[in-house]
Amino acid sequence: GQNIDQPTEMTATEGAIVQINCTYQTSGFNGLFWYQQHAGEAPTFLSYNVLDGLEEKGRFSSFLSRSKGYSYLLLKELQMKDSASYLCAVSDNDYKLSFGAGTTVTVRA
Amino acid sequence: NAGVTQTPKFRILKIGQSMTLQCTQDMNHNYMYWYRQDPGMGLKLIYYSVGAGITDKGEVPNGYNVSRSTTEDFPLRLELAAPSQTSVYFCASSDGRGVEKLFFGSGTQLSVL
Repeated sequence: GQNIDQPTEMTATEGAIVQINCTYQTSGFNGLFWYQQHAGEAPTFLSYNVLDGLEEKGRFSSFLSRSKGYSYLLLKELQMKDSASYLCAVSDNDYKLSFGAGTTVTVRA
Repeated sequence: NAGVTQTPKFRILKIGQSMTLQCTQDMNHNYMYWYRQDPGMGLKLIYYSVGAGITDKGEVPNGYNVSRSTTEDFPLRLELAAPSQTSVYFCASSDGRGVEKLFFGSGTQLSVL
């Protein structure tokens, strides 16, 4: 099975940087994903890591350490529209995604 | 440019009633999934399918059934609705080529009273 932990809530100021940590314990590993979910909407894909290191995509970056079972999502230059829930998800050997409970990020002016 | 389409968007059921949540995708994806999302609990996998005619249980399958007669459609059946099935249900699909970038439907908010 999978055990995925991430903080419940984070608050930051517009223009700042926020780092959302995710730790996982899995029976298999085929990649780690981050999804963004605005209130009342479906999740949308943000990033994917399968090898150790940092993947950068515009204002968002995601880091993975497989040996530590650890990932983080870095949101830079925060905008009000970044207020959302951020879901960490791990793919196991059968290509099924297991999701963490999500981190609600609130961006304040 | 429809992607993954779910119907209905909202439904209220009485205890013991049955219903089918419809899901169809037009991206020719092999993999399809049903998740439920309870407040503060994240997404839990109910059932999934790796192709037409093949289905398998996820983490929380009890009380649900699925079928996959075509690549496009993956309906979820609730036979005897219970209050514990009150949740938001998401259908998703992916091309199944290793990077599981899921495309989600807009969700169905189901209340069982």
